Amino acid sequence: AQSVAQPEDQVNVAEGNPLTVKCTYSVSGNPYLFWYVQYPNRGLQFLLKYITGDNLVKGSYGFEAEFNKSQTSFHLKKPSALVSDSALYFCAGGSQGNLIFGKGTKLSVKP
Amino acid sequence: NAGVTQTPKFRILKIGQSMTLQCTQDMNHNYMYWYRQDPGMGLKLIYYSVGAGITDKGEVPNGYNVSRSTTEDFPLRLELAAPSQTSVYFCASSYSYASSGNTIYFGEGSWLTVV
Repeated sequence: AQSVAQPEDQVNVAEGNPLTVKCTYSVSGNPYLFWYVQYPNRGLQFLLKYITGDNLVKGSYGFEAEFNKSQTSFHLKKPSALVSDSALYFCAGGSQGNLIFGKGTKLSVKP
Repeated sequence: NAGVTQTPKFRILKIGQSMTLQCTQDMNHNYMYWYRQDPGMGLKLIYYSVGAGITDKGEVPNGYNVSRSTTEDFPLRLELAAPSQTSVYFCASSYSYASSGNTIYFGEGSWLTVV
């Protein structure tokens, strides 16, 4: 069965420091991987996706993610965190059928 | 561009009542979805549709029904509401299968409480 895991419930980062939100996947065949962000009381907003090609994917708001096939990971990164990046982040993936969502990671960026 | 619009935003239901969550999209997407989000549980797929007249069950369909009479609309009906249906509901759409790389676009959510 396909699965997507976000091993951290919460990540705390100081403003200006780099941030990483982790995601691992178990998908048969070639995976399609997504990151979404959810601000309080709002819907999910698309950040970026990996389909094929360059393993480093750049997305909205300065975020990027690195696809690592050998480690089956798709970690979300940003070089310098902002307080406004504080939100709930979801990784999602699949290769067939419907997309599988991780449980979400709450990112807290402190001034 | 409105995207995916769902109503109502908030609703309180009594146990046993029924209601319909409305969803419409203006992106001419073929695929539409209903998810529920519970704290710490991520998103669970309730029902989805790959086109007008075609619907299928997702991971957690019990207690819900859907219909897709047009490309734009995908209402979700709750029959005999139960406290376990207290959740946040998201309607979403995509041009084709997200597992083929198509981006899913979400509505703003509907907060439902069953008391």
